[in-house]
Parts: sequence; structure tokens; C-alpha cells
Amino acid sequence: DAGITQSPRHKVTETGTPVTLRCHQTENHRYMYWYRQDPGHGLRLIHYSYGVKDTDKGEVSDGYSVSRSKTEDFLLTLESATSSQTSVYFCAISATSGRTNQETQYFGPGTRLLVL
Amino acid sequence: AQSVTQLGSHVSVSEGALVLLRCNYSSSVPPYLFWYVQYPNQGLQLLLKYTTGATLVKGINGFEAEFKKSETSFHLTKPSAHMSDAAEYFCAVGENSGGYQKVTFGTGTKLQVIP
Repeated sequence: DAGITQSPRHKVTETGTPVTLRCHQTENHRYMYWYRQDPGHGLRLIHYSYGVKDTDKGEVSDGYSVSRSKTEDFLLTLESATSSQTSVYFCAISATSGRTNQETQYFGPGTRLLVL
Repeated sequence: AQSVTQLGSHVSVSEGALVLLRCNYSSSVPPYLFWYVQYPNQGLQLLLKYTTGATLVKGINGFEAEFKKSETSFHLTKPSAHMSDAAEYFCAVGENSGGYQKVTFGTGTKLQVIP
């Protein structure tokens, strides 16, 4: 358990409304990630953060923004939700383990978002 | 660019039979390879990982995977399937890229275990 929580766990919203998803971690990890999961696509990276106020885009960042004002919180915002953003959203952290210093990603429980 | 191919989006096995989930990858650098498992309505759980060293990697729940560089494969196996193994399995390849860990996931294989 990497101490990751996501809120809300389920959300139904209407097209055009703003939506913010929250990821919270308790273990002071530097790197945090937002992915979306869709059938047939696996997980795709939306944005990631490498520190407070340090973020960058992933492969599917259009329509999403992020913020990280505290180490423990990483927020994902859909400024104006569209039906194509209906998905399951996962937050992840990366932690170093073992002698190789290789980082491994650990995932939160996910947020299921439905945009009507 | 790195990529992952999982052969078979759905695999069915009988309880007690061998589980074999296939994964092939491409990577321009020595890869870090992972298998994750996802149970319904849950997040992804790390099953096992290969970084360096021994090419046969043992994970949780009796699973193991073998890194074969010549075949660019990292297939997941378990000698005897249990009903509780029914889940979706994701193979992933990672590399350190400009300061963050870039992980590319396969599209997943749903494992069905038949009593």
C-alpha cells in the first residue's frame, strides 16, 4: 500500500462543467502521475509532476490541467468536461526500491468519471 | 520509442491449468519490465518487476515471468490457476526519461478461470 487515496471515487457530471479530481499521498513521494484507463488502450499518461509546482504533459494532456501546491496533493482538472473524457482515472506515485535504485509506480484505487 | 504488445485480450484457462500470458516489448534502452494485476473496480497492483540481474522473476500469488532479451519477451506464468486469479493483467515497460519514469502499458489481458 503506497498510501494513495483518490477522491471522489465516482463522479457523474454534465458536458461543459468543470471537474477536479484529487490524489493524495502520505509518503512524501516526489513524482506523481495521472493516467486514464480506457478499454483497448491500457493506461495512458495525462500529466505528471516532479515536485511542488513542477508539472509536465503526458501523451493525452489535451483538455486537462494539473496543479500541485503541496507535495501530498496532485489535482487533475477538466476545465470543460466532454463525453470523450468519460474514463477511469488513476493516480500513481513512483518509489525507489531495491539495490538498483529503479523506480516503480504504485497506483491509487481510481476515480470513475461519467460525462453525460 | 518504447511499446508493449500483449497477445490475446482474453485468455481462458481451467482451474488448475497452466497460466501463460504473453508480453513482447520494444525499447531503445535496456528495459525495466513490469506486470500489474487489476481486480474489478480496483487499481493496479504490482505483481512483479524485472530491473537487472536474474532473468526469472518471482512475484506475488505464485506468478513468475522470464525476461528473454533475444525474444524481447516477458511472459507471465503460473503453474496452476486459481479462481482468485481471474483479473486483468497489464504488462508494462519503463525507462527513465528526462528525469521521470516513463512507463508504457500494454492494452491488457483479461484472464478467465473456468471451474
